[in-house]
Amino acid sequence: AQKVTQAQTEISVVEKEDVTLDCVYETRDTTYYLFWYKQPPSGELVFLIRRNSFDEQNEISGRYSWNFQKSTSSFNFTITASQVVDSAVYFCALAKAAGNKLTFGGGTRVLVKP
Amino acid sequence: AAGVIQSPRHLIKEKRETATLKCYPIPRHDTVYWYQQGPGQDPQFLISFYEKMQSDKGSIPDRFSAQQFSDYHSELNMSSLELGDSALYFCASSITSEGDTDTQYFGPGTRLTVL
Repeated sequence: AQKVTQAQTEISVVEKEDVTLDCVYETRDTTYYLFWYKQPPSGELVFLIRRNSFDEQNEISGRYSWNFQKSTSSFNFTITASQVVDSAVYFCALAKAAGNKLTFGGGTRVLVKP
Repeated sequence: AAGVIQSPRHLIKEKRETATLKCYPIPRHDTVYWYQQGPGQDPQFLISFYEKMQSDKGSIPDRFSAQQFSDYHSELNMSSLELGDSALYFCASSITSEGDTDTQYFGPGTRLTVL
C-alpha cells in the first residue's frame, strides 16, 4: 500500500521568510511519481511539480524548489522569500506508474503574514 | 489553455435526493478521475476511466456510480444522499499512454451540500 505523510499540519511565517514543507512517502513500487499541489483559499487544486522515481535531480522554479531524496523517501518543498499569496494548503501526492490514482498526504497549511 | 470544466460549481440537495456532477476533461485527455475532499481533509480517490472504461476504483460508495461518454466527458451520479456526502468533488484529467502516468490536472470542483 502507498502512503504519504506530511507531518506539519500548519506553518505560520512572516512575509519574506523561507518555509520548507516536508513530505515522506512509502511505496513498494520501484517506479512511481511524486507531485506537489497547491490549494489556495478559493479551493481549486493547482499542479506545481511532478517527479519520477528515476530522477533525483533537484528542481528550482522561481521562488519554489524541491529536494527529492530517494534514500530517505522524502520529497521536500521550499518556498523562498514567502509572499502573502503563498498562503494555501499544500499537498504532496504519490502515484504508481501504471495505476495513476493519486494518494495524497494530509496537507500542510501555510499562512504567510504581512 | 483549456482547463477541466466541472458543473455545477455549487449544489445543495436534501437527504435521500440524487445528484449528478459533470466533468469535461482537457481536450485530448483520455483519462478522467473523481476525488472527494471532505472539510479539512485531503482528496480521496473515488474512481477513474480510461478510454470510456473504468480503470480503477477507490472508496466509492455503492450509492454512487460514474461513467465516461464517447466525447470523454464524465458524470458522477449520487443517489440516496446522506449528510456525510457533503464535500468538494474534484474531477481531474490526464493523458495516459502505454502505462505511463501523466500529470493530473484538476477542475475547480463541485461543492455539494446535503441538508
